[in-house]
Amino acid sequence: ETGVTQTPRHLVMGMTNKKSLKCEQHLGHNAMYWYKQSAKKPLELMFVYSLEERVENNSVPSRFSPECPNSSHLFLHLHTLQPEDSALYLCASSPRGQGNDEQFFGPGTRLTVL
Amino acid sequence: AQSVSQHNHHVILSEAASLELGCNYSYGGTVNLFWYVQYPGQHLQLLLKYFSGDPLVKGIKGFEAEFIKSKFSFNLRKPSVQWSDTAEYFCAVNALGNNRLAFGKGNQVVVIP
Repeated sequence: ETGVTQTPRHLVMGMTNKKSLKCEQHLGHNAMYWYKQSAKKPLELMFVYSLEERVENNSVPSRFSPECPNSSHLFLHLHTLQPEDSALYLCASSPRGQGNDEQFFGPGTRLTVL
Repeated sequence: AQSVSQHNHHVILSEAASLELGCNYSYGGTVNLFWYVQYPGQHLQLLLKYFSGDPLVKGIKGFEAEFIKSKFSFNLRKPSVQWSDTAEYFCAVNALGNNRLAFGKGNQVVVIP
């Protein structure tokens, strides 16, 4: 248990559905991250929030929409996804949002798009 | 853009064997370097990290890594592995001044009892 929780752990959705992934950190950190982990590919950074402000958007398609209402919560809203979006989505947090911070990861949400 | 290379994606070895996992990165400036580990059914967690100082870094569970600047490498080593070291190991690099962490594809290590 790292202090970062993610729900749901598994999600199956159709291409026309709208769903949201939730991440919560109990560590008092100021930065939160979304990553995509696909088979045989490196972990891909999607979004970075520092003090609730988005500081990084790594050319992610608009069908993924992040939301950070406060420093403890991070959402990823999903809309009209494609089958190739099926992957493990990891949330992480770090104390200051600086590059030399250790990042603390959640267990991930396994997403399948049919 | 930073890129991180990890070779030999699948490694199988017996207990007490020595382990070395290679990590090379492409960024030419000052970097922060990390190894993360994911044990079966568990979260990604930090194994060790290098920011500055002694290029030989000691981590948890007997792991160490050596930063060789001239080779753009940060290889991970353990002299004698145990069955409990079965896991996936990820090298990650951060270029000084930005908040991105670039990961390699990972090494799946299986230790046979």
